[in-house]
Amino acid sequence: GEDVEQSLFLSVREGDSSVINCTYTDSSSTYLYWYKQEPGAGLQLLTYIFSNMDMKQDQRLTVLLNKKDKHLSLRIADTQTGDSAIYFCAERDDYKLSFGAGTTVTVRA
Amino acid sequence: EAGVAQSPRYKIIEKRQSVAFWCNPISGHATLYWYQQILGQGPKLLIQFQNNGVVDDSQLPKDRFSAERLKGVDSTLKIQPAKLEDSAVYLCASTNTDTQYFGPGTRLTVL
Repeated sequence: GEDVEQSLFLSVREGDSSVINCTYTDSSSTYLYWYKQEPGAGLQLLTYIFSNMDMKQDQRLTVLLNKKDKHLSLRIADTQTGDSAIYFCAERDDYKLSFGAGTTVTVRA
Repeated sequence: EAGVAQSPRYKIIEKRQSVAFWCNPISGHATLYWYQQILGQGPKLLIQFQNNGVVDDSQLPKDRFSAERLKGVDSTLKIQPAKLEDSAVYLCASTNTDTQYFGPGTRLTVL
């Protein structure tokens, strides 16, 4: 966890876009992931990006990767109340995943 | 396709007692992981299996934690004896490709 950092909290109004940021330290990371965790549940894979890509879009989700700065972001368009959860960024080096501490996203009406 | 199954979902024990968790990975997934997630933190890898062999157990506190995957499918994680600081959610994940799929976890409370 200490190799991956995220801001702890984000509050967003319903219908607005959310942007969750993440920085990592391992330049040899092959894949970077975003997982979502709802209360009492396991981690649900949202999306991932290969390290040679800059951007990946999947419906309401857009992932941006700045490999030079080791910065990853997740943008959620048209944020809904069901998007309230903890979002984890994770980097993969070889077979191991290292997770950040998670960003708690609260969607307010 | 059925997901990763874990049981029990919740367990409360007193310190110095023993506890075991069970995981059934997604069918056909050769690789299985156990993670510990302490409240307010991200998951931390405890052990990784490839089929029935251990690939990485460098973060497993071997004086009290043990895990096995005898037939290369189901796995059990045991803690003996438990300490207060073992209170956490224990997550099992499996994969056959580049993506790990997680179970719902077992929430352990040690009193």
